[in-house]
Order: sequence, then C-alpha cells, then structure tokens
Amino acid sequence: NAGVTQTPKFQVLKTGQSMTLQCAQDMNHEYMSWYRQDPGMGLRLIHYSVGAGITDQGEVPNGYNVSRSTTEDFPLRLLSAAPSQTSVYFCASSSRDRVKLFFGSGTQLSVL
Amino acid sequence: SQQGEEDPQALSIQEGENATMNCSYKTSINNLQWYRQNSGRGLVHLILIRSNEREKHSGRLRVTLDTSKKSSSLLITASRAADTASYFCATAFSGNTGKLIFGQGTTLQVKP
Repeated sequence: NAGVTQTPKFQVLKTGQSMTLQCAQDMNHEYMSWYRQDPGMGLRLIHYSVGAGITDQGEVPNGYNVSRSTTEDFPLRLLSAAPSQTSVYFCASSSRDRVKLFFGSGTQLSVL
Repeated sequence: SQQGEEDPQALSIQEGENATMNCSYKTSINNLQWYRQNSGRGLVHLILIRSNEREKHSGRLRVTLDTSKKSSSLLITASRAADTASYFCATAFSGNTGKLIFGQGTTLQVKP
C-alpha cells in the first residue's frame, strides 16, 4: 500500500518556467490538499479538494493552479515560477471528515 | 494569518522529562489535531481532539482542549531521544469549509 506518492522529490527551475508537481493516493480519499513549508512559517495551505471536480483556495493560492479530475490524483501547477516559490511542498489526503491527514514525503523546489 | 500559533517555538529537555507545547487558535473549530515531523520527512498524525472533548490520551501523549480560551496543549511524558522532532497543531474550521490549517510548530530536542 503506497499511501501518498509525490513526484519529483527534488526540482530546480529557472524564474518564469512552469512545472507540475504530481500527487497520487491509493486510499480512495476524498480530501486532498497541497501545503508549502518554509522555515519559521510552518505549513501553509495552498489549495485543497473535497472530491473529484471540486477545488478551492487555501491561505496562499496565488501563482498555483490545481485540478482534480480523478479521486486519486491532485497535481499542483506552477504557472510561472518565481524565487518566492522556493519551498518544500507537501501533498496530503484524508477521508472526507479530515480527521487524519496522510502526507507524502515532499518535493523540494528551488527557483533560481 | 495562520489559525494556529504555537508556543514555545523551541524546547530542549533531558530524556525522561516531560515536554509541554501549546497551541492557540482564532476561530471556532470542529477538531484540533497534532502532528509530528521528523527532519526532512512528511508529517505523521499523532492525535485528534474534538471540540466537545476536553482531554484525550494516547500512550505517552496527553492532549487538552479549552474552547473558551481557544487553546490546546500537548504533553509528552517520559520523553525519549526518539521524540526529537517538530510538532504541529492543525485546526479544522467549523462549518466544514475543507480547510485544515497548521500552526508554525514547536521544535523539540530531547537530549540523551
């Protein structure tokens, strides 16, 4: 049972490039979310989804897009990368009631 | 601003001592959860307390919730070197908006 799988683990981008961080879960969870973690800032919610076809903004959504075409996948798109988006990104999922989040191992992103 | 604020930001104790960390939040919640993060890893769920509960136990963990003060505390008893990690509280807003918001975390160091 893989749980929550994030790819890639590491990525370096140049300013202005676009890319997609992948997140997949095999637990049939309805709720999925993306967080970024910066030193001293804890985790901040970027976007979340309560089911296929439904997404909503979190605390820091600007510069990111998401879609949820299937229950299993919740990709995060950086439209035009900026140095301020240098961070560690975590995907997490849970059942609908959100009583226990399962986290992926993270993607360390550097934007030069 | 983030929903959860944690105190202290860092805590250093000797093995065998108890560790207490606190979390305050701003708005009504359905539940409050505590997570642990080992260095360079994803977060792992520790314990959840619902808004109608005042105290919960799980092994060496004890969580309290005071909804009148909008605060929670996590007590780790008889700490071990393996408890060295960062600990985060996360709050689920009332009204089932789908947001689970994390605090900035407490970094705990347990010295052998």
